[in-house]
Amino acid sequence: QSALTQPASVSGSPGQSITISCTGTTSDIGTYNYVSWYQQHPGKAPKVIIYDVTNRPSGISNRFSGSKSGNTASLTISGLQTEDEGDYYCHSYTGTNTLLYVFGTGTKVTVL
Amino acid sequence: QVQLVQSGAEVKKPGASVRVSCKTSGYPFIDYYLHWVRQAPGQGLEWLGWINPNSGDTNCPEKFQGRVTMTRDTSIDTAYMEMSSLTSDDTAVYYCAREGLAEPDCNWFDPWGQGTLVTVSS
Repeated sequence: QSALTQPASVSGSPGQSITISCTGTTSDIGTYNYVSWYQQHPGKAPKVIIYDVTNRPSGISNRFSGSKSGNTASLTISGLQTEDEGDYYCHSYTGTNTLLYVFGTGTKVTVL
Repeated sequence: QVQLVQSGAEVKKPGASVRVSCKTSGYPFIDYYLHWVRQAPGQGLEWLGWINPNSGDTNCPEKFQGRVTMTRDTSIDTAYMEMSSLTSDDTAVYYCAREGLAEPDCNWFDPWGQGTLVTVSS
């Protein structure tokens, strides 16, 4: 089971929308609606921003939204703000006892 | 509020073992699974396993079986992750993270501890 595939970097100007893809397989994203997304700022612990593909935890801005199609999940950030700059990781349940959870390779978001 | 506070940074020699603690507060310790995740310098996140604080049952990826041991002490609401036979590849920040909900099908993590840097160097 390999890490989920994300683009290494995505950038956008303030106010724009960007989308980060996360490609897995039929063994993880393609089968289970247990995709979550984490935001990580330098030197800080990750923070969940999306869970179960589309749900936002309490306190997370509605500028963040998630979706899934087939083996690929996506995170969209609308109205990009400077504080959105950081690293983003997708995460999926696999149901495989040898590796129950897998993270994405990570995407660095830059606000131009 | 819910808090996970981890033990301090460690420096270990190759072949040694390290134990990281995760002291929890602000919620019923036995009701939420705890997970361990690590991040090598400049690298991505890697899942190390979970522990059910109620039963003590654990699950970890095949690559870490026999090298990672997760335990807990319910009297002090603290979980532990011990890794043995350390190599330089184990140099990383190690995080504990609680499941977001006390439900069987919760597969996301919130909140996370602050992280513990483990450096393996001769």
